[in-house]
Amino acid sequence: SQTIHQWPATLVQPVGSPLSLECTVEGTSNPNLYWYRQAAGRGLQLLFYSVGIGQISSEVPQNLSASRPQDRQFILSSKKLLLSDSGFYLCAWSVSPTSSYNSPLHFGNGTRLTVT
Amino acid sequence: SQQGEEDPQALSIQEGENATMNCSYKTSINNLQWYRQNSGRGLVHLILIRSNEREKHSGRLRVTLDTSKKSSSLLITASRAADTASYFCATFDRGSTLGRLYFGRGTQLTVWP
Repeated sequence: SQTIHQWPATLVQPVGSPLSLECTVEGTSNPNLYWYRQAAGRGLQLLFYSVGIGQISSEVPQNLSASRPQDRQFILSSKKLLLSDSGFYLCAWSVSPTSSYNSPLHFGNGTRLTVT
Repeated sequence: SQQGEEDPQALSIQEGENATMNCSYKTSINNLQWYRQNSGRGLVHLILIRSNEREKHSGRLRVTLDTSKKSSSLLITASRAADTASYFCATFDRGSTLGRLYFGRGTQLTVWP
């Protein structure tokens, strides 16, 4: 069965510090991978998605970046955090593009990031 | 950008009652999906309805889709305290080739025992 791991669960970082959040998927090959952000009481904002190694698409310009160094690994990074980067970050995967039209997303348990 | 918008933003009911949540969207879609999120956790997929379907059931869940009105509803029958969570609709836009789902802001459902 497929599983998705996301860590850390919580993180408190000072403004201007770097960020690295990691997400890995097991039990599937060539998944679509996604990073979403959820602000308090808000919906989910799609930040990045990837259909393959090294293929990253950004939805919203910001000081965050994403990388996919391996097929089932997705990393969210920042060189210098802003207060506005605080939020709940969720990684998700779905099946590969050829059959993804009617496939659901599977989410990790999220990382609660507080920038102080 | 967000696509779906849920209504109401918050819903409070007693156990045993039915809960109905609505979702409206703006563009043509391939499918619409409903997710549940317990506080502080990731989202869990509940049900998917395709654009050529009008109604779908899964256990105590009933989803309808009206593409002419660009709206969907999620009905939870005989609610339980354990159904307390946020519920989100998400749309997969027609013409999208890369599997992007856009979520609404969600409905916070509270079921009192």
